[in-house]
Formats: sequence, structure tokens, C-alpha cells
Amino acid sequence: NAGVMQNPRHLVRRRGQEARLRCSPMKGHSHVYWYRQLPEEGLKFMVYLQKENIIDESGMPKERFSAEFPKEGPSILRIQQVVRGDSAAYFCASSPDSREQYFGPGTRLTVT
Amino acid sequence: GENVEQHPSTLSVQEGDSAVIKCTYSDSASNYFPWYKQELGKRPQLIIDIRSNVGEKKDQRIAVTLNKTAKHFSLHITETQPEDSAVYFCAASTNNFNKFYFGSGTKLNVKP
Repeated sequence: NAGVMQNPRHLVRRRGQEARLRCSPMKGHSHVYWYRQLPEEGLKFMVYLQKENIIDESGMPKERFSAEFPKEGPSILRIQQVVRGDSAAYFCASSPDSREQYFGPGTRLTVT
Repeated sequence: GENVEQHPSTLSVQEGDSAVIKCTYSDSASNYFPWYKQELGKRPQLIIDIRSNVGEKKDQRIAVTLNKTAKHFSLHITETQPEDSAVYFCAASTNNFNKFYFGSGTKLNVKP
């Protein structure tokens, strides 16, 4: 059973471009969480999704950020018109029951 | 919303000594408290968790204690080894697991 997969692992975008981060949960997991981590800081909750539903997006900025978890395919975190302050590591975690979370390796986004 | 505070931010111990990391939380509705270990450049990994109906839980050299009245919980690592060196995060969540609030992390350094 493969672990949580995230791609790309590293992403460089210029200011104003779009960033798409993908998360493939573990097989059988229908709960996905996205977190953002700045260097030397903790994980900040962004959004919690179940298949085809956003359950809680209270940690995600209302502008430029969106997330989805379609019936088929990976969960996607989309950041439009990126700014330097969006540079961070973005982790997703999947869970079979919304309790025990299994983290992916993260995507390190650098905005130049 | 919930606020999780974690102390100390850095902790240096001699191999074989014990290490204790403490967290406090503010929302009395929180009832699930996981601890994660994150090695440099890697994903967070769950090492132990505790629910609010239990005061203490042990797993070999790791134990977690919870005081619901005082709203604090602690991670105890005994007989520390150099491979325990990492950043440790506490977290809190409520019954619906819609979101997890993480502490700011403790960088543990075990000196051989």
C-alpha cells in the first residue's frame, strides 16, 4: 500500500503565475487535509475535504486559494496569482476515518 | 478558535536522559491529541495519540499524559537516543476532526 503521494515535490513559480499542488491519498482513504508550513514554524491547517466535498476551509485565504477532491483523481490545492508570501511547504494528509493522519512528503513552493 | 501553545521551542538532552515537551490548549471541546515527529526535510509522522477519556498512554519509550482540567498534555521520551533528534509537534482536535491545531514545534537535540 503506497503512502500519501504529493507532486511536484518542488515547484518554482514567478509572481502572478498559478501553482497547482496534487495530493494522492492512501488507498481507501477518503479524508484529505491540507497544511502550510513556513520554515521553523508549525503546521497551519488550511482545508479539510472528503470526496467531492469541502468540509472545512476556514484556514484557507478566501482569495486566490481553492481546493478540490474529486470523485476520481487526486486532491488539488490551487493558488492563483502567487505572491512571495506564498512560498512555503504545503503538506497534505489523508485519513481513513478523519482521525489518524498520514502525511505526504510535501511540496516546497518557491515564488520568485 | 483553538490555540495550542508548545514549550520549549528547543530542547537539548544527553543521550539516555529523559525529554519532556508540554502543550496547552484553549478549547475545552478538544478531545483528541496526537503527537508528530518531523525529521529535517521529511514529512510529519504520528508517534502517539491520546483521547480525552484517558489520562495517560505509553508506547515503549514514549508516553503522553493529559490533564483535561488544566488543559495541558505532555510528551515524555525516556532513555533518549540520537535518532530521537527531530522536531516534535503536538496537536489538538475536536470530536468531529474537522481541523487540527498544531503547536509551533519543539526541536529536540539528543547529544551522544
